[in-house]
Amino acid sequence: EIVLTQSPGTLSLSPGERATLSCRASQSVSSSYLAWYQQKPGQAPRLLIYGASSRATGIPDRFSGSGSGTDFTLTISRLEPEDFAVYYCQQYGSSLMYTFGQGTKLEIK
Amino acid sequence: QVQLQESGPGLVKPSQTLSLTCTVSGGSISSGGYYWSWIRQHPGKGLEWIGYIYYSGSTYYNPSLKSRVTISVDTSKNQFSLKLSSVTAADTAVYYCARDLAYCGGDCYPEGYFDYWGQGTLVTVSS
Repeated sequence: EIVLTQSPGTLSLSPGERATLSCRASQSVSSSYLAWYQQKPGQAPRLLIYGASSRATGIPDRFSGSGSGTDFTLTISRLEPEDFAVYYCQQYGSSLMYTFGQGTKLEIK
Repeated sequence: QVQLQESGPGLVKPSQTLSLTCTVSGGSISSGGYYWSWIRQHPGKGLEWIGYIYYSGSTYYNPSLKSRVTISVDTSKNQFSLKLSSVTAADTAVYYCARDLAYCGGDCYPEGYFDYWGQGTLVTVSS
C-alpha cells in the first residue's frame, strides 16, 4: 500500500499570499493517478486537480498541481478567503487501491 | 448535473451490519463508464476508501476491510449499496459515495480520481 504524507500539517497564511502544499509518496506514483481535493467543514471533498496537474471543471487557475514520482505539490498562487480549508492528496495505485494523505489545514493567519 | 445521495440509518449497534444506499441522479449507472465507490471519514480525521463497484457488478475492496464489506448495485433503481458487517465503535464515521470515471481499452480501469461525491452521512456505532 502506498502511503501519502502531506506537509505541513497546518499552514497559516494571509489572503493574497501564495500557498505551497506538499504530498510525498512512500513509493513512486504514476502522475496519471495523483489528485488533490479541497474540503470545507461539513462538506464533501471537492476535486481540484487530477493527473497531478490537470484542473477539474470550474476550478480557478490560481490552483495548480505539479510533480512526479514521489513528490507532488499543490500551489495556490494568490489566496482568496474561500480557499482556507483542508486539502488532501490521493493516489490510485498498482495494488488497485486508492489512498489519501492525512491532509493539510490551510488557515488564515 | 450528476448528484449522489447517501441514505441509511444514522445509528447502528455494535456487532450489527451497517447498510447504506447511494442514489444516483442525472446519469444512469447502467450506461457504464464509471466506477462507484464508498469512502469514509472518521470524525476529525482523514479519508479511507472502502471499495468500488462497476455497473457490471465487478467489485474491489480495501484489503483492510474486505472481510466485512459487500458492495452491490441495483441498476433498475440507479442505486448502489454498502454493507459493513460486525461493526464496532471504530466504524463510526461519515460515509460518502463517490464516482470515478472508467478508462476502457480492452479492459476497463478506474481513472483514479473522484469527480462527484455525495454530501455524506454520519453513521454512529453505539449501543
